[in-house]
Amino acid sequence: GQNIDQPTEMTATEGAIVQINCTYQTSGFNGLFWYQQHAGEAPTFLSYNVLDGLEEKGRFSSFLSRSKGYSYLLLKELQMKDSASYLCAVILTGGGNKLTFGTGTQLKVEL
Amino acid sequence: NAGVTQTPKFQVLKTGQSMTLQCAQDMNHEYMSWYRQDPGMGLRLIHYSVGAGITDQGEVPNGYNVSRSTTEDFPLRLLSAAPSQTSVYFCASSYSTGWGETQYFGPGTRLLVL
Repeated sequence: GQNIDQPTEMTATEGAIVQINCTYQTSGFNGLFWYQQHAGEAPTFLSYNVLDGLEEKGRFSSFLSRSKGYSYLLLKELQMKDSASYLCAVILTGGGNKLTFGTGTQLKVEL
Repeated sequence: NAGVTQTPKFQVLKTGQSMTLQCAQDMNHEYMSWYRQDPGMGLRLIHYSVGAGITDQGEVPNGYNVSRSTTEDFPLRLLSAAPSQTSVYFCASSYSTGWGETQYFGPGTRLLVL
């Protein structure tokens, strides 16, 4: 079966840096997405990684290691509005555009 | 563009009732899909479509039907609602089925089955 693991909850301080990890064990791999989801709202796209390495987009960066089945999302200069759930999702080989999601990491940013 | 729209926002059903959750997109997207989101379970794929007239099952298709008669619309039908179908349902779409195509999610429908 497919297994995607993320920590359930994390807490961080405003202005700090936080790293949210995602490990996956799947039958095939064609890329990994990170989505942000505020309570009661739809998921919104943050990043996509298919090759090893770091992708940077402003305060958000995402890293992938295919050999280790590992990704992380790095959030810098945390703001209160970053309090949300962060979802890791994998596209499997032969899966077209079908996403397999982890259970999400609930991030709380405190003053 | 309105993006991906879903109706209704909230719905309460009794066990055994049927209903249709509506999903529409105005971005001329080829790929559309339905997910359900339950606490502690993450988003799970119910059904998806790679174009008008083409649909297929996802991870949890039992109890749900779909059709795709137009590019814009992708309704999800519950034939005989059960309490286990209480969930938040999200529709999503992407321009194509290529790898890495970003999927855009609708605002969700919150369904309670009594």
